[in-house]
Amino acid sequence: AQTVTQSQPEMSVQEAETVTLSCTYDTSESDYYLFWYKQPPSRQMILVIRQEAYKQQNATENRFSVNFQKAAKSFSLKISDSQLGDAAMYFCAYRRNYGGSQGNLIFGKGTKLSVKP
Amino acid sequence: GAGVSQSPSNKVTEKGKDVELRCDPISGHTALYWYRQSLGQGLEFLIYFQGNSAPDKSGLPSDRFSAERTGGSVSTLTIQRTQQEDSAVYLCASSQNPGTTNEKLFFGSGTQLSVL
Repeated sequence: AQTVTQSQPEMSVQEAETVTLSCTYDTSESDYYLFWYKQPPSRQMILVIRQEAYKQQNATENRFSVNFQKAAKSFSLKISDSQLGDAAMYFCAYRRNYGGSQGNLIFGKGTKLSVKP
Repeated sequence: GAGVSQSPSNKVTEKGKDVELRCDPISGHTALYWYRQSLGQGLEFLIYFQGNSAPDKSGLPSDRFSAERTGGSVSTLTIQRTQQEDSAVYLCASSQNPGTTNEKLFFGSGTQLSVL
């Protein structure tokens, strides 16, 4: 069975600084997707970034980028120029590509990010 | 609607009672998902709807849990004879193009269920 592990329950960063959130996963599949979701206090999950396993290039979305190491099964999220609005729970998620819906995601337990002014 | 709407936002019930949680997906979204988020945990998949049918209900934890979707729109998650371990946030999500590479899930704000 696939598993997703986030080893940092809490992280803190100074405003305008850079922070990296860690995620490792375990799978025997070769074709899959990886995601980072943000969950603010409103509880609404928001997709931050997505990576297809077959792509070697790391995904980027503005201030958010990933370091995808397929062999090591590692998928870390880097937030640059941190802003107060980045404070939230961050979840790493995995989904294997079997041609069905992408909704059956497997989530890690999350990392609570605090941003200090 | 503009987003995925869930009601109620919070629900407190007594052990043994039945509860119904409602999800209104974004108009035109054919796929709908239910997840459960227990305290300090990630999201746990419960069930997936495509239209009114549920091709994947593998995540429902017991036969006390059921869900239906009508008119390809609103979905109701029912928990019978609630137990304290059912206390969690129940999140709903919908998407427009399930099974495609670009599928994107839109989440509601969830229902916080507390079973006393």
